Amino acid sequence: DAGVIQSPRHEVTEMGQEVTLRCKPISGHDYLFWYRQTMMRGLELLIYFNNNVPIDDSGMPEDRFSAKMPNASFSTLKIQPSEPRDSAVYFCASSLGGGGRSETQYFGPGTRLLVL
Amino acid sequence: DAKTTQPTSMDCAEGRAANLPCNHSTISGNEYVYWYRQIHSQGPQYIIHGLKNNETNEMASLIITEDRKSSTLILPHATLRDTAVYYCIVRVRGGSNYKLTFGKGTLLTVNP
Repeated sequence: DAGVIQSPRHEVTEMGQEVTLRCKPISGHDYLFWYRQTMMRGLELLIYFNNNVPIDDSGMPEDRFSAKMPNASFSTLKIQPSEPRDSAVYFCASSLGGGGRSETQYFGPGTRLLVL
Repeated sequence: DAKTTQPTSMDCAEGRAANLPCNHSTISGNEYVYWYRQIHSQGPQYIIHGLKNNETNEMASLIITEDRKSSTLILPHATLRDTAVYYCIVRVRGGSNYKLTFGKGTLLTVNP
């Protein structure tokens, strides 16, 4: 299995621009998670989906952030408009869910976002 | 989820056992102890989890005290590739909450 795939791996943009991060979870996994990691705040959960439905978006910082999961194999995290404080590494993770070892979350390599 | 306390950093010699402690004195009866690690510039990686019995897998061993207020992750023969930040996380397994709440973790540096 290829694991969780994220694109792009690096993104540099200017303040005010729209940024779209993409994630392909592991095939068959029912849960998809978006995390953000910064030096100041560490690794924090933004939102997660179960069977393509958003379950908990309490970590989404503000209305500039939105996430979608149109199907079981694709999710996007969009920032519009982007600001310098959005600079961070964004991780996507997926899991089977349902208890036991299947709750293990598998993380992608991350997208390093720099907003100038 | 219960709060955890870990040392900020630790050193270990290559080939020796690395013992990483975690304090979770407010853990409740239905909360599991999970360990993940994050190698520099990579996403976090699951290591092991347990409820009250000691657990072992191909990566590590997890020792949980009888009162469950603390635990130790053991890497039996640390290698340079084990240099990473190790996160101890306490959470309820199953149910409707699949969140992982990461603290600051322990930076383990394995020295040659």
